Amino acid sequence: AQTVTQSQPEMSVQEAETVTLSCTYDTSESDYYLFWYKQPPSRQMILVIRQEAYKQQNATENRFSVNFQKAAKSFSLKISDSQLGDAAMYFCAYKAANTGTASKLTFGTGTRLQVTL
Amino acid sequence: GEEVAQTPKHLVRGEGQKAKLYCAPIKGHSYVFWYQQVLKNEFKFLISFQNENVFDETGMPKERFSAKCLPNSPCSLEIQATKLEDSAVYFCASSQSLYVRNEQFFGPGTRLTVL
Repeated sequence: AQTVTQSQPEMSVQEAETVTLSCTYDTSESDYYLFWYKQPPSRQMILVIRQEAYKQQNATENRFSVNFQKAAKSFSLKISDSQLGDAAMYFCAYKAANTGTASKLTFGTGTRLQVTL
Repeated sequence: GEEVAQTPKHLVRGEGQKAKLYCAPIKGHSYVFWYQQVLKNEFKFLISFQNENVFDETGMPKERFSAKCLPNSPCSLEIQATKLEDSAVYFCASSQSLYVRNEQFFGPGTRLTVL
């Protein structure tokens, strides 16, 4: 079974600074997808960024970028120029590429990000 | 609609009572997923549907949990004889297809409190 591990329960960053959230995963699949979701206090799940495992290029979305290391099974999220609105829980998630029972998302336990002035 | 709708927002039940949660997927989306987020923030996959057919039910505690997606009706998740450990936020998500570019869009969740 696939597992996703987020070893940082809480992180803190100053406004305008850069922070990196860690995520590792375990899978025997060769093709899969990885995601970072943001969950603010409202509990709404918001997709931040996605990465296809077959792509070597790291995904970027404005201030958000990932460092995807397939051999190490590592998928970290970098937030640049942090803003107060970035404060939330961040979940790393895995999804196998084949259809069928593998279509569900497997989540890590989350990292709570605080942004300070 | 343009968003996944979940009702009710909050639900309080005494232990042993029945709870029923509803989800209206985004119009045109064929796949519906139910996830349970317990108070420690951990997510657990429960069940998924392709239209009205169960697609994957490997996460469902089958003794007390059941779910349906019927044509022209909201999908539902029902818990018979609720237990204290069922207290959680239940999220519904929908997607247009299983392929990743068609991401899973999440509803706002239903918070179930079992007293």
